[in-house]
Amino acid sequence: DQQVKQNSPSLSVQEGRISILNCDYTNSMFDYFLWYKKYPAEGPTFLISISSIKDKNEDGRFTVFLNKSAKHLSLHIVPSQPGDSAVYFCAASEGDSGTYKYIFGTGTRLKVLA
Amino acid sequence: KAGVTQTPRYLIKTRGQQVTLSCSPISGHRSVSWYQQTPGQGLQFLFEYFSETQRNKGNFPGRFSGRQFSNSRSEMNVSTLELGDSALYLCASTEGGPYNEQFFGPGTRLTVL
Repeated sequence: DQQVKQNSPSLSVQEGRISILNCDYTNSMFDYFLWYKKYPAEGPTFLISISSIKDKNEDGRFTVFLNKSAKHLSLHIVPSQPGDSAVYFCAASEGDSGTYKYIFGTGTRLKVLA
Repeated sequence: KAGVTQTPRYLIKTRGQQVTLSCSPISGHRSVSWYQQTPGQGLQFLFEYFSETQRNKGNFPGRFSGRQFSNSRSEMNVSTLELGDSALYLCASTEGGPYNEQFFGPGTRLTVL
């Protein structure tokens, strides 16, 4: 059972435009969400996180939105740059329950076209 | 601070063999998690160790095991290798609290022939 789903395996966006990556989850106990970026032959690198007490968190060009009622989060990248081309993973955890376990989605490959 | 290091970076083994992978976390981090990444499956959680104790475990068979040492370094062992075990194995470290971001190493690419 995939508790964290990224239904779009790939996404292409023109440089300078907005990239929107989506993530859905099924476990209502998740209260901490993260986005990671991964380049080939490297480990994932942390981008941005959001706690369930918030509905938006912004860091430079990256903004994460959380819709708890829909169990949906999205990552917005504005403006998109060619260096943003990578695989993006969303992840979730039940921090409040102390399980210390992060569940990852299957990833979305973003390609930013110059 | 030095990042998370994993050794070896690449491994080729044959079916039935066993393998041990190593992970050194960021200095001061006490939690180490292991993940398996295969195409189309994302990162599958294997287990997490904190202060030498396994705190959580994913849904993998008993052939997959791990341990953590007093210096927080961790090892993962896979016995009786199968072709399906071919994957990128990633380890990640955090300070250990429930709302910490994980820092990943570059991974060990295991190929089982």
